[in-house]
Amino acid sequence: QKEVEQNSGPLSVPEGAIASLNCTYSDRVSQSFFWYRQYSGKSPELIMSIYSNGDKEDGRFTAQLNKASQYVSLLIRDSQPSDSATYLCAVNSLQNTGNQFYFGTGTSLTVIP
Amino acid sequence: DVKVTQSSRYLVKRTGEKVFLECVQDMDHENMFWYRQDPGLGLRLIYFSYDVKMKEKGDIPEGYSVSREKKERFSLILESASTNQTSMYLCASSPIDRENQPQHFGDGTRLSIL
Repeated sequence: QKEVEQNSGPLSVPEGAIASLNCTYSDRVSQSFFWYRQYSGKSPELIMSIYSNGDKEDGRFTAQLNKASQYVSLLIRDSQPSDSATYLCAVNSLQNTGNQFYFGTGTSLTVIP
Repeated sequence: DVKVTQSSRYLVKRTGEKVFLECVQDMDHENMFWYRQDPGLGLRLIYFSYDVKMKEKGDIPEGYSVSREKKERFSLILESASTNQTSMYLCASSPIDRENQPQHFGDGTRLSIL
């Protein structure tokens, strides 16, 4: 059973602070990693993808991947109240029956004005 | 942009009814997926399909079936709806054989079984 683990939170940060979200995965052959943001009552929305070890930055978001440690994280700089949502970590592995995606249960983030 | 369209945002049905949830994607993706999402349980995979007329069971297929007669359309069927199938249902699609491509989700269907 492939597993993706996230701290469920809730994580609370003040406005303007850095929010750090973490994710570990069990399958060493996993190749692609994604972060989705999900507002309450809405569907997941892709915000970051990362495939290689190291950091990837996109605006206020930075994804970090360490395949040796099987660890992926998301940093949100200058957090805004609009960042308050649940963040899902997803891992993609190519299987015989196509791409398989494994999701964590999500971390709830609240940014306090 | 990828567009995944689910037929209904909200649906109310009665116990024992046969319920159809429809999903259509416009990006010629081979893979399509049905999930349900419940508070505290995250996304749980019901069924997926990697080609027309092909289907694979996910983690919780009991009480559900699927149909994929055309590449762009993937239907989820609740054969005899029960109250424990009240949930948010999410459809997603992705291309095959390209690991670095994410899943794209529809807006979801919030299904209530009374």
